[in-house]
Amino acid sequence: EPEVTQTPSHQVTQMGQEVILRCVPISNHLYFYWYRQILGQKVEFLVSFYNNEISEKSEIFDDQFSVERPDGSNFTLKIRSTKLEDSAMYFCASSVVGGGNYGYTFGSGTRLTVV
Amino acid sequence: GENVEQHPSTLSVQEGDSAVIKCTYSDSASNYFPWYKQELGKGPQLIIDIRSNVGEKKDQRIAVTLNKTAKHFSLHITETQPEDSAVYFCAASQGAQKLVFGQGTRLTINP
Repeated sequence: EPEVTQTPSHQVTQMGQEVILRCVPISNHLYFYWYRQILGQKVEFLVSFYNNEISEKSEIFDDQFSVERPDGSNFTLKIRSTKLEDSAMYFCASSVVGGGNYGYTFGSGTRLTVV
Repeated sequence: GENVEQHPSTLSVQEGDSAVIKCTYSDSASNYFPWYKQELGKGPQLIIDIRSNVGEKKDQRIAVTLNKTAKHFSLHITETQPEDSAVYFCAASQGAQKLVFGQGTRLTINP
């Protein structure tokens, strides 16, 4: 079964450092997303990406965040200057549209720890 | 925007009994309602979903019901097994747009 792959599985970084979280969505999917989950809380939407541009972003997704699809397979989330409150699980997801099948699939996540 | 409320936050049932988790949503334009199971350290895994043009969907021991008028939907798990223990999230969206999640329900199946 096709999977969304995320790397690394765990990233520890110092406050103020830049991090890049990487994702390989399912190959025929058209929509790409980043969500985050602070420990013990619900999954929150960060940003959606379609046709090589951001289609929607949440209030959480401020100027410190950016996304990129640098080639035909990778989808990245960059946090420019990490804060302690950025510590969370970050999930990448992708979906396909067409025929009523949305096919959302989530990756296993990257646990980001900011110290 | 959409708001999804989920209850209960924790649920403990005896193995073999049924479990029911309920969610309400606020945006009548939402038309896609998936349920996810999340095990420790893993990403959400889709277990069942329903679209607004149907009222009920069943897949073996799992079923979901949708009441569009009341804007609520429920997950039903019958004949529960220890491996059903996990955190379950409901969500709502308009098609392939962002998913808005409920707060999650920690389900514990007692042997």
